[in-house]
Amino acid sequence: GAVVSQHPSRVICKSGTSVKIECRSLDFQATTMFWYRQFPKQSLMLMATSNEGSKATYEQGVEKDKFLINHASLTLSTLTVTSAHPEDSSFYICSARSGTTNTEAFFGQGTRLTVV
Amino acid sequence: DAKTTQPNSMESNEEEPVHLPCNHSTISGTDYIHWYRQLPSQGPEYVIHGLTSNVNNRMASLAIAEDRKSSTLILHRATLRDAAVYYCILRDNNYGQNFVFGPGTRLSVLP
Repeated sequence: GAVVSQHPSRVICKSGTSVKIECRSLDFQATTMFWYRQFPKQSLMLMATSNEGSKATYEQGVEKDKFLINHASLTLSTLTVTSAHPEDSSFYICSARSGTTNTEAFFGQGTRLTVV
Repeated sequence: DAKTTQPNSMESNEEEPVHLPCNHSTISGTDYIHWYRQLPSQGPEYVIHGLTSNVNNRMASLAIAEDRKSSTLILHRATLRDAAVYYCILRDNNYGQNFVFGPGTRLSVLP
């Protein structure tokens, strides 16, 4: 199946700093990418949807100025957690799909963010 | 979005078949049934999906009820590596729609 690569797999940062997470589709063009957040023992919660070349659409309750999403090309989307706080510590997962309707989505391996 | 209901957890013995149920009584005619699984500390992994007919692939089989209000994911011979959270997700055949994850079923495989 298609491969989505997420980097880094884990990161520790200090409170108040910013962290960038990259999501790349390695062998297909991802017209749409999704960013999820998952807290321990909970399910994945969608944060935002991004389409290449346009602004991301954020879910209710997700601060767009705090979680900056850029989808500048068909193979790369980035999520930047700005001014991170300990409560932002979570498992962040990206997902990518091509333009075909109702294909399966492909997920990155996730990024474990710890803010100290 | 139409919702799905799954048991919180299930147990299986290694090398035995596992039947993971999913109820989706409010499914619409254009909803596909998708199954993903998530191993610890990893992103979700595609397992199988279908619309009306039963589906088979190298990982699993998907049995869909005739009225489509329920489905069952079948792992023919569970291995320790199959221990994961399994998510049953409905998604309408609309372009760009995301996957909405419920709590899923945590499958434990006993040696």
